Amino acid sequence: EIVLTQSPATLSLSPGDTATLSCRASQSVSRFLAWYQQKPGQAPRLLIYDASNRAPGVPARFSGSGSWTDFTLTISSLEPGDFGVYYCQQRSVWPPLTFGGGTKVEIK
Amino acid sequence: QEQLVESGGGVVQPGRSLRLSCAASGFSLSNNALHWVRQAPGKGLEWVAFISFDGSHTYYVDSVKGRFTISRDNSKNTLFLQMNSLRPEDTAVYFCATDRKYYFEHWGQGTLVTVSS
Repeated sequence: EIVLTQSPATLSLSPGDTATLSCRASQSVSRFLAWYQQKPGQAPRLLIYDASNRAPGVPARFSGSGSWTDFTLTISSLEPGDFGVYYCQQRSVWPPLTFGGGTKVEIK
Repeated sequence: QEQLVESGGGVVQPGRSLRLSCAASGFSLSNNALHWVRQAPGKGLEWVAFISFDGSHTYYVDSVKGRFTISRDNSKNTLFLQMNSLRPEDTAVYFCATDRKYYFEHWGQGTLVTVSS
């Protein structure tokens, strides 16, 4: 099973800041990695797939990069609606499909 | 408006069974592979099960193998999760989701399953 480790656990930022979230895989996942946003009481939302492709309707402020074992989600010019928990997920080796433990982006 | 709506959650005693449903409206599920994903209270996301578009292939996380069964009825535009021998650690919100290259594209709002005596 591929383990995904996200860091930091919590990111405290202000609107307008840039958020940089990390996801590290226990073995190579090539570029088969996605990012999701989850707000309290809501279902997750797919943001990025295959490391760097934005899902339909996702603003250009969200960008993904990385390959093999190290990936980054960057959110530029944070808006109030961007605060929540972000998860990475790999589909390179499955079952099982696995998620990281999440990074909470909170308002400073 | 495309929507997935889960139902069937509730409070159940350990060892008992529950059947979850996920109904689609505004689009057809028949061309989509589908997943169940769960989230224990205050915890992260855990993939539970996958079913191919025609039901011919199914996969499960190890912790539910032999206890849970994913199925679908394309004529009713509905996905199911039969959960038997439930354990307290199965307590979670269960989401259904459509598959996009083994990522989770569209999600329902979730249904809460609580396993407790």
